[in-house]
Amino acid sequence: GIQVEQSPPDLILQEGANSTLRCNFSDSVNNLQWFHQNPWGQLINLFYIPSGTKQNGRLSATTVATERYSLLYISSSQTTDSGVYFCAGGAGGTSYGKLTFGQGTILTVHP
Amino acid sequence: KAGVTQTPRYLIKTRGQQVTLSCSPISGHRSVSWYQQTPGQGLQFLFEYFSETQRNKGNFPGRFSGRQFSNSRSEMNVSTLELGDSALYLCASSLDRVVPQETQYFGPGTRLLVL
Repeated sequence: GIQVEQSPPDLILQEGANSTLRCNFSDSVNNLQWFHQNPWGQLINLFYIPSGTKQNGRLSATTVATERYSLLYISSSQTTDSGVYFCAGGAGGTSYGKLTFGQGTILTVHP
Repeated sequence: KAGVTQTPRYLIKTRGQQVTLSCSPISGHRSVSWYQQTPGQGLQFLFEYFSETQRNKGNFPGRFSGRQFSNSRSEMNVSTLELGDSALYLCASSLDRVVPQETQYFGPGTRLLVL
């Protein structure tokens, strides 16, 4: 089955710092998504990024599909960025609707 | 466009009871997936429905079941509740264009506590 691994498991930053979160995934993954889970449990879509680079404000993501990894960059972090960041992979085909999630990176941003 | 909605948001049940959770997808989305999130196991896929048919199922016992209605709304049911069923249950919807797999959008979840 699909394997998705995230690092680091925990990250503590001061407001204004930059950070990079990594996601490694197995061969069978052909699409990748990044999510932010807020303290109330809501999963917020950040990026759908099977390959290439995307940017949205202070966040950007890069997926290098040939090397089976994706990176999420957070610049000038704010306290509201705190929460858990997940990457999730899908295999497409007959794996209808199934995303396999990594264990997440818990980000804490201190003022 | 309204997001994915789930009801109820919180639920307390006792062992042995059964529970039904509801999910309304984003308008126009036809695929609904369900996930269970626990501190020990993380986020795990339960099942996916499209056009009232279950197309995919995760590795959960038969006590977990679901269905989808003609308006794409979905329900999941857990019978004979166990303490270990305490979790956050999330549903997600997508447009479902087969290739590539579409982005999934998640609801706020239902927190179930089994006593």
